[in-house]
Amino acid sequence: DTEVTQTPKHLVMGMTNKKSLKCEQHMGHRAMYWYKQKAKKPPELMFVYSYEKLSINESVPSRFSPECPNSSLLNLHLHALQPEDSALYLCASSQDQGSNQPQHFGDGTRLSIL
Amino acid sequence: KNEVEQSPQNLTAQEGEFITINCSYSVGISALHWLQQHPGGGIVSLFMLSSGKKKHGRLIATINIQEKHSSLHITASHPRDSAVYICAVSNYGGSQGNLIFGKGTKLSVKP
Repeated sequence: DTEVTQTPKHLVMGMTNKKSLKCEQHMGHRAMYWYKQKAKKPPELMFVYSYEKLSINESVPSRFSPECPNSSLLNLHLHALQPEDSALYLCASSQDQGSNQPQHFGDGTRLSIL
Repeated sequence: KNEVEQSPQNLTAQEGEFITINCSYSVGISALHWLQQHPGGGIVSLFMLSSGKKKHGRLIATINIQEKHSSLHITASHPRDSAVYICAVSNYGGSQGNLIFGKGTKLSVKP
């Protein structure tokens, strides 16, 4: 069982919908990450939260809005997405944002935009 | 040129074979990670190493810092080892914790 839980596992939405992806970890990790992964490509970093504050935004379009309500939860709010946003969205966490920390990944949410 | 290169891109093996996947990188690193991704999507961290060799069950990872090269070995391969194996590095001095990913090696182990 993964220690990072993502919900939902699958999501189909229209371009005008608003939905949210959720990620939860109870390992006491203080860094949490959102990645986007297209088919047959490696993950691409989107956002990093460190101690509940946004640390990195890799020039992600504003139709993706991250939120970290507390140290265990990370959300990704979606609005007015485009078909090219269809992908696997992975959440990860690590002890902190230091470079020698392994990241623990969730199983991902597979998102399809109609 | 990618900062992290993996070879081969695809690998098919018979059950029981010894498998090697290679990773070369061109940046200074503080650590190298080997990750496993099954078709369902979830990623599992197999190893994080900055020197020498680590072993876990049938998996062995080695790294040569001078040559900027790492290998992942699987002994007595099994169909359940079929997955994509991804090499990623933590950039030296990259306090942001960013990982630089290779493109992955897709392994298929036939019974």
